[in-house]
Amino acid sequence: DGGITQSPKYLFRKEGQNVTLSCEQNLNHDAMYWYRQDPGQGLRLIYYSQIVNDFQKGDIAEGYSVSREKKESFPLTVTSAQKNPTAFYLCASSKVETGELFFGEGSRLTVL
Amino acid sequence: KQEVTQIPAALSVPEGENLVLNCSFTDSAIYNLQWFRQDPGKGLTSLLLIQSSQREQTSGRLNASLDKSSGRSTLYIAASQPGDSATYLCAVRGGSEKLVFGKGTKLTVNP
Repeated sequence: DGGITQSPKYLFRKEGQNVTLSCEQNLNHDAMYWYRQDPGQGLRLIYYSQIVNDFQKGDIAEGYSVSREKKESFPLTVTSAQKNPTAFYLCASSKVETGELFFGEGSRLTVL
Repeated sequence: KQEVTQIPAALSVPEGENLVLNCSFTDSAIYNLQWFRQDPGKGLTSLLLIQSSQREQTSGRLNASLDKSSGRSTLYIAASQPGDSATYLCAVRGGSEKLVFGKGTKLTVNP
């Protein structure tokens, strides 16, 4: 079945450590996105990529980094510079033709 | 800057009731509007996508309408069931690739 796979589902990190969240899609979508969801805040865009080897900052990119070396993959690294990294992270992709957005199941990061 | 508002933040109804969820947006120059469902601890599931040239979309018991001139969309759920309990979010896409999300309406359908 086609879809978006995020891993790990749960991740615990000590302060000062970088962690990388994986996002893989087999929908043949060109565009991919990373969102952060916090209680009461709604979804906020971290980074997005419309094509391989190119990506743009979203509204809250500070403390995060991404790469897009393959069409299917868009990993997100949460660096030690991110001041409040504990959150639910959602990866999404979309079809250029319609703009319809599809999401993965999310990764919950907790900083201890 | 586009702002998306969903009112009410929470709604509780008895099973079988027809209900309407509201979504309003401040900038009518949109490309499309999408409704999602989110269960606790899960990702978002796409329910309906309405392109800017469309007035409504239907899928099963769900019907979404779009009125760009008034900056409003509604999601109508017919004959609600306990399995419909979830948070419903709307998102608006403008000229760029970014979607702007509302904060959602948490729906509880009581048996």
